[in-house]
Formats: sequence, structure tokens, C-alpha cells
Amino acid sequence: QSALTQPRSVSGSPGQSVTISCTGTSSDVGGYNYVSWYQQHPGKAPKLMIYDVSKRPSGVPDRFSGSKSGNTASLTISGLQAEDEADYYCCSYAGGFYVFGTGTKVTVL
Amino acid sequence: EVQLVESGGGLVQPGGSLRLSCAASGFTFSDYWMHWVRQAPGKGLVWVSRINTDESITNYADSVKGRFTISRDNAKNTLYLQMNSLISEDTAVYYCARAGSYRCDYWGQGTLVTVSS
Repeated sequence: QSALTQPRSVSGSPGQSVTISCTGTSSDVGGYNYVSWYQQHPGKAPKLMIYDVSKRPSGVPDRFSGSKSGNTASLTISGLQAEDEADYYCCSYAGGFYVFGTGTKVTVL
Repeated sequence: EVQLVESGGGLVQPGGSLRLSCAASGFTFSDYWMHWVRQAPGKGLVWVSRINTDESITNYADSVKGRFTISRDNAKNTLYLQMNSLISEDTAVYYCARAGSYRCDYWGQGTLVTVSS
């Protein structure tokens, strides 16, 4: 049950796009299309942004998109906005349990 | 409106026990699996446990297996986490979350557990 690997930080200017990777194994990310992504602002609870690799819950802006290739999932934020500055975590089903990523801090320059 | 409110956190000595509760409202609690997720101070999210609707299926992270027990009372719309043999590494904010299909679609605000002498 090792954490999925994410970059520690990514940054971009307003309006730009950033992509966060989430690397696991064939037992988690690569084995199931059940990757979700969560946004967490400081001192707040996480919020679901993407589920089932690429689906957006109601109310999440379409600037947020997800994809997966092999053992790596990705979250892309297009048209970066100031309010997108937060920590982001991926999460994958792994057959009876779940594993989160190490987390990525997104900074809007 | 879906609401999840955790309680029961606090300071406990190593080796001690604590029971967390999560009061649910705004949805039919008995229809949903539920999760516990924790976050140590300044660290990332870690999945702890999940339970199905009738308590017949429970799963745990290796780090808590044999020490923590998840349960629920559908009549009281409440989720529980019984934590025994606590160690310093269990210090964290504990979140309960409603399980959508293979995701956590709503989260509570969390309750802080501090294990220290």
C-alpha cells in the first residue's frame, strides 16, 4: 500500500495550463479506471474534482480534466485561476482498498 | 444538503483508545458505503478504512489493521471508528467521507486526534 507518486509542486501564470501526474502500478492506477482527484485548500476538507479517471462532478468547472495512460493518471487545469491555488491529491482503487497520491501544491504565479 | 460532522477527537496517550463518530444528514445514510481518511499535520491524505451499507464488508489500511474497527448505526445515521493501541503515528485529522462509486464524493470537516504523552 505505497502512496502514488505525484510531483511535489507545479506552478503557472493565470490563464496557463498545468498538468499533475500521478504514477502508480498495475495493481492500482493501471489496473482500474477508478482514479479520482481532490482539491484541498489550507485548513479545509478535500473536494472531489474528478472521478473515474475523467468524469467531472456537477459544479466542477470544465477547466479541470483527467486522463490516464498505463500506470499514470493526470489532472490538467486549463485557464489557471487564482482560486485554483491549492493542494491536489489523486486516489486510486486498488482492489479492496484505496491509495492516495503524495500530493501536489499548485501555485498560481 | 449533504452534511458530515465528525466528533470524538482529542488528546490521548500512547496505547490508549478513542472512538470517533461521524453524524450524517441530507441523504439516505443506509444507502451509502462510507470511508475514513486521515491527514497527519502538514502531510498528505491517507485512506484508513471503508464499510459497506450493512457492515458485512469492511476494509482497512495495513497500518491500522487489527487496531482500528469501523462500524455504523444506520438507525442513528452515524459512522464510527474505534481506535485502539494508538501510537504517535496515528496523530492526524480524521475525515469521514461518503462513498460514491469508487470515490469520496462528500467529506466532513475532520476531527483532530493527537497521540502524545
